[in-house]
Amino acid sequence: QSALTQSPSVSGSPGQSVTISCTGTSNDVGGYNYVSWYRQHPGKAPKLIIYDVNKRPSGVPDRFSGSKSGSTASLTISGLQTEDEADYYCCSYAGNYNWVFGGGTKLTVL
Amino acid sequence: EVQLVESGGGLVQPGGSLRLSCAASGLTFRTYWMFWVRQGPGEGLVWVARIDSDGSSTNYADSVKGRFTVSRDNAKNTLYLQMNNLRGEDTATYYCASDDSTGWSFFRHWGQGTLVTVSP
Repeated sequence: QSALTQSPSVSGSPGQSVTISCTGTSNDVGGYNYVSWYRQHPGKAPKLIIYDVNKRPSGVPDRFSGSKSGSTASLTISGLQTEDEADYYCCSYAGNYNWVFGGGTKLTVL
Repeated sequence: EVQLVESGGGLVQPGGSLRLSCAASGLTFRTYWMFWVRQGPGEGLVWVARIDSDGSSTNYADSVKGRFTVSRDNAKNTLYLQMNNLRGEDTATYYCASDDSTGWSFFRHWGQGTLVTVSP
């Protein structure tokens, strides 16, 4: 299983919106509506922020939204806040009870 | 509040073995799928293994298949990862995670991780 492709870094100013993309194949992102996104601050455990492409767990603000088109999934964060500065990982179910993560995107809030 | 607490990490020589544990509380452990995810130093997340709720079905990443074994003791609310024939590339922080009552395809709750270092 090859890792999903994410841009290494993205940046934005407080209050702005940013979108992080995640590209896979028809065997993972394109084949299932089971894309999830995780936020990880340095030295901390990852935290689920989006599941099943566009659903938010309880407690995650609606500034976070997810979508998918073909084999590319996207995470959009609107109204950027300083605490949003973190690493973001996408993950997709890849069939046969296997999962594959993206390489991660470092979000810098300028 | 769900808590997952990993333990058992440490320094081990190449070819050695280690068993990680993950103690769960705040959830009906026996009803959840459990997972192991690892993260090498400065690297991204990698899914390692999955076990279903009663332990009857397991799956592994190709990189650990045949060397790692995931198991669980639902009476003790504990998940395990037996790691044999360890290699340098297995050096990582290992996280346990659970799915959720609303779905199985994602990692809802995470532990804080335990560091495994494979080095001579």
